[in-house]
Amino acid sequence: QSALTQPASVSGSPGQSIAISCTGTSSDIGGYNFVSWYQQHPGKAPKLIISDVSDRPSGVPYRFSGSKSGNTASLTISGLQAEDEADYYCLSYTGGLTSFVFGTGTKVTVL
Amino acid sequence: QITLKESGPPLVKPTQTLTLTCTFSGLTLSSIPEAVGWIRQPPGKALEWLGLIYWNGNTRYTPSLKGRLTITKDTSRSQVVLSMTNMDPVDTATYYCAHRGSFGSHYYFDYWGQGTLVTVSS
Repeated sequence: QSALTQPASVSGSPGQSIAISCTGTSSDIGGYNFVSWYQQHPGKAPKLIISDVSDRPSGVPYRFSGSKSGNTASLTISGLQAEDEADYYCLSYTGGLTSFVFGTGTKVTVL
Repeated sequence: QITLKESGPPLVKPTQTLTLTCTFSGLTLSSIPEAVGWIRQPPGKALEWLGLIYWNGNTRYTPSLKGRLTITKDTSRSQVVLSMTNMDPVDTATYYCAHRGSFGSHYYFDYWGQGTLVTVSS
């Protein structure tokens, strides 16, 4: 099972919107609506920010949103803030005996 | 409130077996749909899903490590144990345990431990 493909880095100015893509195959992202996104600050554990493609857990700011089209999922951060500077990872269910695969990770820089 | 905490040796030698313990609270891991997974992250690199154990003891492992990984649980002690044989320097990483989501599809991880760094070196 190969890792899902994410851009290595994305940057934006405060207040701008950015999108992070996560590309897989019909065996993972394309086959299930079970994509989640995680934010990880340096030296910290990952934090769930989106589940099931577009569900936002309690306490996660509204500026984080998720979507999916075909084999590609996307995380959008609207109104970028300084504290959003972190690494972001997607995770997809793959079914069968394997179960899950992470993305390659994207470093978000707030200019 | 669910909490998880990893513990184990910070240093192991090549070819040795690594044993890590995830001690949890706020869940029993003995009823549907509870599950606990293991994820690792080499220094400066991406997260990698390793495996999962369900409430009924069933397990799933990443194919690349199958044969080296074993995940077990001891619900009486509120622990999940990961064993990885034949450790190699490339297995140097921070190892996390995480709780599989309780709502919706359950195919996500909503609570994570703080992680424990394991270095493989002679």
